[in-house]
Amino acid sequence: QQPVQSPQAVILREGEDAVINCSSSKALYSVHWYRQKHGEAPVFLMILLKGGEQKGHEKISASFNEKKQQSSLYLTASQLSYSGTYFCGTEFSTGGGADGLTFGKGTHLIIQP
Amino acid sequence: EAGVAQSPRYKIIEKRQSVAFWCNPISGHATLYWYQQILGQGPKLLIQFQNNGVVDDSQLPKDRFSAERLKGVDSTLKIQPAKLEDSAVYLCASSLGRVLNTEAFFGQGTRLTVV
Repeated sequence: QQPVQSPQAVILREGEDAVINCSSSKALYSVHWYRQKHGEAPVFLMILLKGGEQKGHEKISASFNEKKQQSSLYLTASQLSYSGTYFCGTEFSTGGGADGLTFGKGTHLIIQP
Repeated sequence: EAGVAQSPRYKIIEKRQSVAFWCNPISGHATLYWYQQILGQGPKLLIQFQNNGVVDDSQLPKDRFSAERLKGVDSTLKIQPAKLEDSAVYLCASSLGRVLNTEAFFGQGTRLTVV
């Protein structure tokens, strides 16, 4: 089942903060965040695993609420380069089989100078 | 480090024609994915390979789509015959291991337009 992302779009001024949410009706094992700029490939931002482990880079933080099956991506002191579409990808498997990600519809982020 | 290579970048075909896409993953990556991204939506997994074996193809329209990964390296995705609704960007991604705890690297994709 496809995760639900909110908001669908957000416009910020450079330096402002934003939160992007991702929720699932199905139990999650992991949540992955990617950013995609127009006409380009999605770029990995972060993995959040059940149990609290996180892997990622850049100055971006995220949380994973296992009880609520929700994840939030926090973009602080936004820069122009943060503009793009953010996708959360969810993984339901606990390790026994296929584990391709199910992506949400994306959140469009526009950073203005 | 070279990234995931895909070709062609763009393809325009008429409905009912056939088309093939090629993907060369990052060297050493055992897992390869094909995703379909329709305009305005997130990528949708079509098929996942682990080395040269299929792990998941539950969302692949097998009456018209096929994919193979010979020798566990390069992969091709074929559509035959194409329909108008197949217009999308086809993304190939690879990862060292299972996506559960490793990042996936995406290629730039092939933009297919079916007219």
